[in-house]
Amino acid sequence: AQKVTQAQTEISVVEKEDVTLDCVYETRDTTYYLFWYKQPPSGELVFLIRRNSFDEQNEISGRYSWNFQKSTSSFNFTITASQVVDSAVYFCALSQDTGRRALTFGSGTRLQVQP
Amino acid sequence: EAEVAQSPRYKITEKSQAVAFWCDPISGHATLYWYRQILGQGPELLVQFQDESVVDDSQLPKDRFSAERLKGVDSTLKIQPAELGDSAMYLCASSLGGAARETQYFGPGTRLLVL
Repeated sequence: AQKVTQAQTEISVVEKEDVTLDCVYETRDTTYYLFWYKQPPSGELVFLIRRNSFDEQNEISGRYSWNFQKSTSSFNFTITASQVVDSAVYFCALSQDTGRRALTFGSGTRLQVQP
Repeated sequence: EAEVAQSPRYKITEKSQAVAFWCDPISGHATLYWYRQILGQGPELLVQFQDESVVDDSQLPKDRFSAERLKGVDSTLKIQPAELGDSAMYLCASSLGGAARETQYFGPGTRLLVL
């Protein structure tokens, strides 16, 4: 069975600080997909990124970057120069080609960015 | 921009009453998911549809929950009778074909409070 662990329950930073959100996953599949979603106070889950298990290239999108390391089963998310608008709950999720294909989510990390 | 629609956004009910939630996926998306998110936790799958067929309802409490997608487009999730423990956010998501690699897009959710 697959599992996603987000050990950081809540992180508080001051605006302009860099922050990294950790995600560790477990799966027996060799083909799987990792996702990050953002959930602002309004409640809707907003898709941020998808990464497949064969692509370990790190990705950067503006102030966001993701570090995927199969050796440690981690898919960490870094926000550079954080802003108040980044305040939200962030979820890491996993899906795999065999068995259940729906997303398995971690418990989320609440990020508070103070002005 | 295409979006997943859900209604109502908020629902307050008393225990033992019946409640129903509606979801309209992104046009052309064959796969529809219902997730339940308890406060402070990540979403968990209740049921997955491929067109009008249920492909995974292993986590759906079938004694009180039912879901349908009669014409393979919009879907209704029903709880009867509601219990206090059903208080949660109910999220609907859709994806193009249901493959694990596809991104799931979420609606705004329905917040249910059972008194």
